[in-house]
Amino acid sequence: QKEVEQNSGPLSVPEGAIASLNCTYSDRGSQSFFWYRQYSGKSPELIMFIYSNGDKEDGRFTAQLNKASQYVSLLIRDSQPSDSATYLCAVDTGGGNKLTFGTGTQLKVEL
Amino acid sequence: NAGVMQNPRHLVRRRGQEARLRCSPMKGHSHVYWYRQLPEEGLKFMVYLQKENIIDESGMPKERFSAEFPKEGPSILRIQQVVRGDSAAYFCASSKAGGAPYEQYFGPGTRLTVT
Repeated sequence: QKEVEQNSGPLSVPEGAIASLNCTYSDRGSQSFFWYRQYSGKSPELIMFIYSNGDKEDGRFTAQLNKASQYVSLLIRDSQPSDSATYLCAVDTGGGNKLTFGTGTQLKVEL
Repeated sequence: NAGVMQNPRHLVRRRGQEARLRCSPMKGHSHVYWYRQLPEEGLKFMVYLQKENIIDESGMPKERFSAEFPKEGPSILRIQQVVRGDSAAYFCASSKAGGAPYEQYFGPGTRLTVT
C-alpha cells in the first residue's frame, strides 16, 4: 500500500527558531513531492514542491528531498506565530494525477 | 477571483437525500481533482477528471458517488442517498494540463453535514 507518514505533533518551536517537518513515503516510484499548509477549518495551501534530490529554497521555506532514503522535509526559518498550522506532505503516486497525503504535522510557534 | 471556486461552502442534508457539490477550476486549468477529508483524518483522493473524461476514479466509493466535468460548466461531485458517514469536507483542486509535476491548487471546500 502506498503510504505517506508524518509525525502528528504538535511540534512546538519558539518564535524566530527553525521548524523542521519530516515526511517519509513508501512508493519508490514517486516522482513529485509537495508541502501544503492548512489552517484549522481552511483548505490546503501549496507552499513548495520538489522533484529533484537536494534542497529547494523559497523565501523562509526550504524543501529537502532524499529519494534513496524516501524522505522529504520542510524547514521553516525565522518561524512566526502565523506559521502555526498543520503541514501536509503529499506525494504524487499516480504519475502526476493523484496525490497521497500524510495526516499532517501540527506546528505551533510560540511567542 | 482567479482561484478555484467551490459551492456551496456548507451543505446540510438529511439521510437519504442527494448532495451535489460544484467546482470551477482556476483560470487556465483543465484538470480537476476531488478529495475528501474526514474529521481527524487526512485528505483522501477520490477522482481525477479532465473535460468530459474521468481519468482516474480509484478513490471513489463504488456506490452512490459519481463525478463529472462537462464540456461547459463546473465539475460536479454527486452523492446519492447520503449517510452520516458521508459527513466530511470535500475539496476540489485543479492543475494545468501538460508537464509534471502537476501543482494542484485547492478550493475552499464544501463542508457536508448529514443529519
